[in-house]
Amino acid sequence: QSALTQPASVSGSPGQSITISCTGTSSDVGGYNYVSWYQQHPGKAPKLMIYEVSNRPSGVSNRFSGSKSGNTASLTISGLQAEDEADYYCSSYTSSSTPGWVFGGGTKLTVL
Amino acid sequence: QVQLVQSGAEVKKPGASVKVSCKVSGYTLTELSMHWVRQAPGKGLEWMGGFDPEDGETIYAQKFQGRVTMTEDTSTDTAYMELSSLRSEDTAVYYCATGQLGTTQMSYWGQGTLVTVSS
Repeated sequence: QSALTQPASVSGSPGQSITISCTGTSSDVGGYNYVSWYQQHPGKAPKLMIYEVSNRPSGVSNRFSGSKSGNTASLTISGLQAEDEADYYCSSYTSSSTPGWVFGGGTKLTVL
Repeated sequence: QVQLVQSGAEVKKPGASVKVSCKVSGYTLTELSMHWVRQAPGKGLEWMGGFDPEDGETIYAQKFQGRVTMTEDTSTDTAYMELSSLRSEDTAVYYCATGQLGTTQMSYWGQGTLVTVSS
């Protein structure tokens, strides 16, 4: 399973919006609506932020939203806050040579 | 609410095996789809294997096939991940992660177990 492609880093100022992309193939991101996004603060376990492309679990701020177009999924965070600074990972189910799940390489979000 | 509590840190020699446990509370294991994910120091998340709701079976990432075994004890609601033939590159934090049966997202995560492989 090849990792999904994410930018290594993004940054934004408090109150701004940022978008993190996650590019895969028709065997994963493009083929299924099973894209999830996870937030991870240093030394902590990941936390689910978005599932099935655009759904937010209970308790996750509506400043977080997800979408997909073709083989690329996106996570948008609006009204950036200092506590949003973290690593973000996308994940998708894949039906490639060996079915399963695959993660992106991760994106470090810096709030300036 | 699901809670996952993992076993403690381990130090192993190259060539040995390690078995990490993940105790579930709040739900029973039969209601959940369990996955194992690892993270090497300073690196990203890597899926090792888990329950595929489409097939109803536990499947493993190609990279770990033949070296990893994931099992469940439904009498104690505890999941296990055993990795054999350890090498230094297996040094990582190992997480169990789960969601409700039939879903594909990992809604709940354990606290992580650091496995260090060193001679």
